[in-house]
Amino acid sequence: SQKIEQNSEALNIQEGKTATLTCNYTNYSPAYLQWYRQDPGRGPVFLLLIRENEKEKRKERLKVTFDTTLKQSLFHITASQPADSATYLCALNRDDKIIFGKGTRLHILP
Amino acid sequence: KAGVTQTPRYLIKTRGQQVTLSCSPISGHRSVSWYQQTPGQGLQFLFEYFSETQRNKGNFPGRFSGRQFSNSRSEMNVSTLELGDSALYLCASSPTSSTLETQYFGPGTRLLVL
Repeated sequence: SQKIEQNSEALNIQEGKTATLTCNYTNYSPAYLQWYRQDPGRGPVFLLLIRENEKEKRKERLKVTFDTTLKQSLFHITASQPADSATYLCALNRDDKIIFGKGTRLHILP
Repeated sequence: KAGVTQTPRYLIKTRGQQVTLSCSPISGHRSVSWYQQTPGQGLQFLFEYFSETQRNKGNFPGRFSGRQFSNSRSEMNVSTLELGDSALYLCASSPTSSTLETQYFGPGTRLLVL
């Protein structure tokens, strides 16, 4: 069955460093992949979308890579700040179907 | 533009009861999707409505149903509530008729079933 895996453990990163989150998937060929941020008690907020024919996408301090051979996406936050602390969700899309990962909690330590 | 709004924000029900949740999409958005989020299962797709028609449905029992009105507002109904239905229910809207579009989520309705 289709499966998405994100780091289940929380990730603690020192302020100023680069945080890297992983999204792996199996039995799926997504047309594209999205990353969302979710704060406690709130709905997810869209961050970035990358298509299957794109290797990398950037937006300000955010960078996403998409390796369809490895079936993996990496999400990077450079120069991380305590305000970046949140849960980050990846979502895979194809043929009007969307599947979300369970998310990775990121803590940026001051 | 106002964001997606959901009412109520919190709800407590008992087993066997039914519940109706409401979602108002961003003005101009015609697609509304519903999701259930739990710590164990994460965010799971329930269904999507576009122009008052259900376009997609996730793997949930028939106790979960929804509808969309001509003004794009949507309601979700869960009948014969079970303890396992306790979750955060999120609705998301998008401009077009596809879950492939970027979705804008509301704050959610937290449902507790006792």
